[in-house]
Amino acid sequence: DTGVSQDPRHKITKRGQNVTFRCDPISEHNRLYWYRQTLGQGPEFLTYFQNEAQLEKSRLLSDRFSAERPKGSFSTLEIQRTEQGDSAMYLCASSLELAGGGEQFFGPGTRLTVL
Amino acid sequence: GIQVEQSPPDLILQEGANSTLRCNFSDSVNNLQWFHQNPWGQLINLFYIPSGTKQNGRLSATTVATERYSLLYISSSQTTDSGVYFCAVAETSGSRLTFGEGTQLTVNP
Repeated sequence: DTGVSQDPRHKITKRGQNVTFRCDPISEHNRLYWYRQTLGQGPEFLTYFQNEAQLEKSRLLSDRFSAERPKGSFSTLEIQRTEQGDSAMYLCASSLELAGGGEQFFGPGTRLTVL
Repeated sequence: GIQVEQSPPDLILQEGANSTLRCNFSDSVNNLQWFHQNPWGQLINLFYIPSGTKQNGRLSATTVATERYSLLYISSSQTTDSGVYFCAVAETSGSRLTFGEGTQLTVNP
């Protein structure tokens, strides 16, 4: 069990550019989550998948954000036309969802800086 | 949505002291987790504890679901315990975690 991995770990981009992040969950986990954390705050939920189906999206996820999990394994989060307010740590988590809640395990995060 | 409040927001201890962190939540939950966030931003799982009591070394946690609170106990604190501790919950109707604002713990030698 290698844990949740994320790539890249750091990304610096200029305002207006598109960026894409990747998350590889723990292999047997069927749920995958994306969260965003800004400085001094707790993480905030963005979206989650069960297998390849996107089941819930937060209102924080504007039209510029899109997430996919095409084969129910890894996931990508794309931000189009980045803004300075998008600068944050983007965290991915996965869980094995049985009856009721399942423990979520987090990756190391991708730190995005928009100049 | 569900509200999560953590207290205290900041805590400064001398090495060897004991401490209690509190998490209050506003609705029924099917998931409650405690995390320690290290200086590089990694969230380390401490406990998955929607109800009951668990212990792991110097750490223990208790969740009283009927009264909507959870406590994290740290005994004989060490400097490596420093960092931010988060409580996060998921409502019984959902799966997303809602995090509290965290407790910033500083343990001085």
